[in-house]
Amino acid sequence: GQNIDQPTEMTATEGAIVQINCTYQTSGFNGLFWYQQHAGEAPTFLSYNVLDGLEEKGRFSSFLSRSKGYSYLLLKELQMKDSASYLCAVSDSNYQLIWGAGTKLIIKP
Amino acid sequence: GAVVSQHPSWVICKSGTSVKIECRSLDFQATTMFWYRQFPKQSLMLMATSNEGSKATYEQGVEKDKFLINHASLTLSTLTVTSAHPEDSSFYICSALRGNTEAFFGQGTRLTVV
Repeated sequence: GQNIDQPTEMTATEGAIVQINCTYQTSGFNGLFWYQQHAGEAPTFLSYNVLDGLEEKGRFSSFLSRSKGYSYLLLKELQMKDSASYLCAVSDSNYQLIWGAGTKLIIKP
Repeated sequence: GAVVSQHPSWVICKSGTSVKIECRSLDFQATTMFWYRQFPKQSLMLMATSNEGSKATYEQGVEKDKFLINHASLTLSTLTVTSAHPEDSSFYICSALRGNTEAFFGQGTRLTVV
């Protein structure tokens, strides 16, 4: 079967750095997405990785290792507005998105 | 980034009536669009994959006669919840695939059936 695993909840301090991990087992791989979702809103696109390595985009970076079936989202200089759920999703061989359950990130002052 | 517009943002309807939700890709053509449903504090659940010009592919457990999907053009897909009941109350989200890589989401529609 297809499976995406990520922690249910994480807590971090404002100004700090947090890493949210995602491991996956899917039939085929056509890229991995990270989305941010604030409560009651639709997810917003953060990043897309299809090749191994680190993609940096401002305060957010995303890493992928295809051989390990592993990705992480790194958030730097955390702000209170970063409190949200972070969703990991993998595009499988049919380009269908397989979703993780999301990681709820709580930022404390 | 690309823009996907979903309308309406929220709707309240009476039990037994039908509700149509539109999903439009405003600045790109989307051969494939996805419809999701999300219950509070839960992950997105894929309901169906909508392909332009052909029938939608529904996920197991999703009633195709209840959730009618039409993808008549490369920029518009619609989801009609027929004979809505209170248990259909949920957050419905569409996403449109640009190329075969990036998925862009609509704003979501909060449906409340009373």
